[in-house]
Amino acid sequence: DTAVSQTPKYLVTQMGNDKSIKCEQNLGHDTMYWYKQDSKKFLKIMFSYNNKELIINETVPNRFSPKSPDKAHLNLHINSLELGDSAVYFCASSRSNYGYTFGSGTRLTVV
Amino acid sequence: GENVEQHPSTLSVQEGDSAVIKCTYSDSASNYFPWYKQELGKRPQLIIDIRSNVGEKKDQRIAVTLNKTAKHFSLHITETQPEDSAVYFCAASRGSSNTGKLIFGQGTTLQVKP
Repeated sequence: DTAVSQTPKYLVTQMGNDKSIKCEQNLGHDTMYWYKQDSKKFLKIMFSYNNKELIINETVPNRFSPKSPDKAHLNLHINSLELGDSAVYFCASSRSNYGYTFGSGTRLTVV
Repeated sequence: GENVEQHPSTLSVQEGDSAVIKCTYSDSASNYFPWYKQELGKRPQLIIDIRSNVGEKKDQRIAVTLNKTAKHFSLHITETQPEDSAVYFCAASRGSSNTGKLIFGQGTTLQVKP
């Protein structure tokens, strides 16, 4: 069983399109996150949700909208995609901010 | 704001040698310090972590040390093997806080030459 699973693994799309990435965790964790890893491998937090409530929103453009329908799911919707959005997006979960477990990542390429 | 500095950015060692990666954090309220290993095209995976009430922790060939006063922590890998080659990230956070977040260092690319 995969602890944190996200789909799709690869996403290639044109500028201006809207796309979504989905994430699910079966670890019983209370907090979920979206991280962005750029071409220089730097991992930067975007959002966190604790028990479905948005806790952290790190100055991310409002084209990015996370949604958490329940504790086990966190989705990321991106409107009007731009070239600079190309990156690997990782979902993660933790219990009380300890022991983060990451998903396998979604490589987004905007052309 | 919170910041984690990691050095060196690249490290090349011969198989069997030791490797040391160092990090410094800025948020004095940080109390949880994990280390992640990321192989090419894979997810970051937790390899060891330490909490602020402990100065040192060891797991087989991997050890982590923490100096809270200086806000430094380090990863030590002994008897390195080619499969240790990867990018290593340090991180810091306020564990047990639901507003806490893991802040990562810039990463160290470790190459172990056979």
